[in-house]
Amino acid sequence: RKEVEQDPGPFNVPEGATVAFNCTYSNSASQSFFWYRQDCRKEPKLLMSVYSSGNEDGRFTAQLNRASQYISLLIRDSKLSDSATYLCVVNDGNNRLAFGKGNQVVVIP
Amino acid sequence: GAGVSQSPRYKVTKRGQDVALRCDPISGHVSLYWYRQALGQGPEFLTYFNYEAQQDKSGLPNDRFSAERPEGSISTLTIQRTEQRDSAMYRCASSLGRGVLGETQYFGPGTRLLVL
Repeated sequence: RKEVEQDPGPFNVPEGATVAFNCTYSNSASQSFFWYRQDCRKEPKLLMSVYSSGNEDGRFTAQLNRASQYISLLIRDSKLSDSATYLCVVNDGNNRLAFGKGNQVVVIP
Repeated sequence: GAGVSQSPRYKVTKRGQDVALRCDPISGHVSLYWYRQALGQGPEFLTYFNYEAQQDKSGLPNDRFSAERPEGSISTLTIQRTEQRDSAMYRCASSLGRGVLGETQYFGPGTRLLVL
């Protein structure tokens, strides 16, 4: 079983709509959680950290459910520039980042 | 300021040859990481360093893979006797290394390796 599981999609989203997806992680000892964004043929870049209390950054909201071991990301009012792959990332406390396959989002005009 | 740089950006080699991939981290970053990313997958951890010390090499697939960071700055990932299954994007990342759990890792553009 992979450490981080994501449904790769693609998620085709009309411009202006809301899209949400989540990932599950297997290591209950995981201590920190992130969403990274990766554009086509580019390197991954940190989008946001995910805190137990949930956090919001503009149109992006991240949630963590430790009991069920899943992390979610919600994007409101989708823009064409939001088209990318969103990677769910978990740190097991030993500085190793475990990445999911990514959720591919395509925002359609 | 300059980000993480990697060279070469592309490498085509014949099966059985050795290759050396270079990573130059962000200046002042203590921690340096190597990942491998296959098409359609997320990056997969290989190894990481704090300064010149290799802290964890549990992700290296086999003993053909090795990495070093002799002066605590530039790092080299070496693959000996390359095989076709080694073809992938090899990414380097660095972080401040302040010991803060989950600090941001900054990725380089990667080296795309193709083994014929």
